[in-house]
Amino acid sequence: KNQVEQSPQSLIILEGKNCTLQCNYTVSPFSNLRWYKQDTGRGPVSLTIMTFSENTKSNGRYTATLDADTKQSSLHITASQLSDSASYICVVSEAGNTPLVFGKGTRLSVIA
Amino acid sequence: DAMVIQNPRYQVTQFGKPVTLSCSQTLNHNVMYWYQQKSSQAPKLLFHYYDKDFNNEADTPDNFQSRRPNTSFCFLDIRSPGLGDAAMYLCATSRDHWAKNYEQYFGPGTRLTVT
Repeated sequence: KNQVEQSPQSLIILEGKNCTLQCNYTVSPFSNLRWYKQDTGRGPVSLTIMTFSENTKSNGRYTATLDADTKQSSLHITASQLSDSASYICVVSEAGNTPLVFGKGTRLSVIA
Repeated sequence: DAMVIQNPRYQVTQFGKPVTLSCSQTLNHNVMYWYQQKSSQAPKLLFHYYDKDFNNEADTPDNFQSRRPNTSFCFLDIRSPGLGDAAMYLCATSRDHWAKNYEQYFGPGTRLTVT
């Protein structure tokens, strides 16, 4: 069964610190991997989409990496801000017209 | 400017009383999706439209129906809401299917409460 596992489940960091969120997946055949940020009570907002050939992709202070061989991805947040407090969801697309496979997300809290 | 709009943002309905949630988009995208998201869980796809073609997920309850009268609008109808249907309902759109790397844009969601 195609699965996406994220760790940690939740994380608390001090403002200004960096952090890395992990995503492991078993989805095959792989098409692309996406990271979304979801603020409480809001819809997810896309941060990055990476295909098989892309190893790293940045969006401001967010940098995603992908190792398609080991089926792992990470999202690194640099110089965290209070507004980074949200759930970060890893989503993997299987090749072909099948639904996206969502992880349960990592709940990040940035505190002053 | 909002690209995927959902109304209402909060909806309270009584057990068994039909309710309709609406979604509109200004992106002219071919595909529209409805997801159900319960607290601390991943969004779960209920169904999607590729243009006028309706695609229902196998485990979506019969209680849930959808309509897409035109490109811009899509509705989620819950015929007889149960307490277990209380959730956030997310509408999303994309230009084409997910496997083609197209961005999926989500609306802000409608929080449904069933009393």
